[in-house]
This record gives sequence, C-alpha cells and structure tokens, in this order.
Amino acid sequence: KQEVTQIPAALSVPEGENLVLNCSFTDSAIYNLQWFRQDPGKGLTSLLLIQSSQREQTSGRLNASLDKSSGRSTLYIAASQPGDSATYLCAVTNDYKLSFGAGTTVTVRA
Amino acid sequence: GAVVSQHPSWVICKSGTSVKIECRSLDFQATTMFWYRQFPKQSLMLMATSNEGSKATYEQGVEKDKFLINHASLTLSTLTVTSAHPEDSSFYICSARAPLAGYTDTQYFGPGTRLTVL
Repeated sequence: KQEVTQIPAALSVPEGENLVLNCSFTDSAIYNLQWFRQDPGKGLTSLLLIQSSQREQTSGRLNASLDKSSGRSTLYIAASQPGDSATYLCAVTNDYKLSFGAGTTVTVRA
Repeated sequence: GAVVSQHPSWVICKSGTSVKIECRSLDFQATTMFWYRQFPKQSLMLMATSNEGSKATYEQGVEKDKFLINHASLTLSTLTVTSAHPEDSSFYICSARAPLAGYTDTQYFGPGTRLTVL
C-alpha cells in the first residue's frame, strides 16, 4: 500500500522567504505526482503535475522536483507572499488511484 | 481546461436522513470518477472508484450499503449517504479522470461538498 508523508506538517515564514516543502512516498512505481493547494474549507487547486518520466516542473514562482528512485519530491516556492498561505498537498498515482499526504500548512507573515 | 462541479456545495441534515451529492464533468466525458472524504485537518481518503455503467469499487473499510454510488452517465456520478449520522459529517470531494495531452491518467477535482449531520 502506498504511503505518502509530508514534512513539515506546518511552516511559518516571513514574506519574501523561499519555501521548501517535502514529500516522500514508499512505492516508487508511480505514474505521476501532483502538488495541490487547498484553502480552508475549499477544494483542491492543482499546482504542478510531474509525470514519472520527468524530473521537474515549473510554473511561475513554483518549481517541483521528482526523484522517483528515492521516493521523494520537493516543492519550492520562491519569494513567498501572504497569498501563498494555504495547505499544500502532495499526491501520487498508482494503478489509477491517488494517494495523498496529510499536507503542509503554510503561513506567510506580512 | 477540464472542469468538475459538485452540488450542493454544503448541506445540513438531520440524523437518519439520506443525502445525495452530485459530481459532474462539465466539458469532458469521464468514464471513471472517484469519491474522497476529508475530515478536519486530515488528508483526502479515497472512498470508492465509480465507473460508468458498472458497480463502484469501494476501498477497504468503506460501507457500500451506506455510501451508494451511481455513475449513470459519462458526465454524472452521484454519492448518496444513507441514514446519515453525525460521524458522517465531513468534506466530500469528487474527481473525474480525463486524458491529458497524450497521458491517460489525470484527475480533475470538484470543489467539494461540506456535509453536516445534526
């Protein structure tokens, strides 16, 4: 059974600092890995999707890397802003099913 | 892009009643839809996989007689929580599987439905 772990569980940084969020998974036979953002009481917003054949994806201030062999992914958010405050979820796909981590709750202080 | 809607966005009901939640893919056909449940400050847990025209596949520990899933068309799946109790109060999120630019396995998520059972 796939287990997805996200560290840290919570993170508080001053505005402008770079954010580093970590995700690890136990079964490396994944189809893809996604990073989502979830605001309180809301649904999921897909941020980045990395296919298993790829090493990284970038979108604006966001960059996600994937090391499938070691079962790790890292999400980098450059120059954080208060609007980046949210919970960030990592999810991997095996056999057409998504397994989610518990998330990292980020607070960016103005 | 692919859009998935859910209705209602929130519902409050009395204990013992049944509640139906709809999940629709608005601009694409989805042969497979998924239902997730999320308790406060926890991650999403897959409840069941819904395939159009066939019975849903439930994850271990999910009661199929309590959570009835119907995937009657390529754009609609419904989740009915039967005889709801306070412990069923949760955030229910659906997703629909669609091809993406040559890749076959991408899920698009609905906005979620907040269920509160009194």
